[in-house]
Amino acid sequence: DIQMTQSPSSLSASVGDRVTITCQASQDISNYLNWYQQKPGKAPKLLIYDASNLETGVPSRFSGSGSGTDFTFTISSLQPEDIATYYCQQYDNLPQPITFGGGTKVEIK
Amino acid sequence: QLQLQESGPGLVKPSETLSLTCTVSGGSISSSSYYWGWIRQPPGKGLEWIGSIYYSGSTYYNPSLKSRVTISVDTSKNQFSLKLSSVTAADTAVYYCARQSWDVWGQGTTVTVSS
Repeated sequence: DIQMTQSPSSLSASVGDRVTITCQASQDISNYLNWYQQKPGKAPKLLIYDASNLETGVPSRFSGSGSGTDFTFTISSLQPEDIATYYCQQYDNLPQPITFGGGTKVEIK
Repeated sequence: QLQLQESGPGLVKPSETLSLTCTVSGGSISSSSYYWGWIRQPPGKGLEWIGSIYYSGSTYYNPSLKSRVTISVDTSKNQFSLKLSSVTAADTAVYYCARQSWDVWGQGTTVTVSS
């Protein structure tokens, strides 16, 4: 199985700060990577698909980059409503199992 | 607008079989070339993909759960279902269904394994 190593596991930042989360795949997954936001008691919400494409309706302060094994998710200016846990997910070619990173909990300092 | 809704018992006894159904509304489960999947999240923990099915019935499962999981589809009811056998407390989780474009998820249903 492809392992996804996400870091950090948690972070605290101020409103307006730039926030960066990384995800490393244990093997080349091309750009088959999604980023999600999950708030307590809610289902994950897709923010970025195919590593760098912004899902419709998602604010432009969210972005993603990378390919192969190393990926980055960025919030350009942290807002109070961005408090959540963020997950990466790889979905390489079938029948490879789909796997998620361990999550990053983002809090306001 | 496509919507997914999970349903099933919220409490299952150890060693029994967990059964959940995902009902798709606002679109046909067989009209698009997507897989449909199950994902779970134990309390306070991360997300784990369980398995997926195509409307034709083709499935693939997480190897760590494969021996206990069966996913099936009923296109006439626009539903797909999950069965997880021989459950233990470790299977206590919120269970989500999702379309594997990953943009549409159900709200999740909590399943507790306890006697």
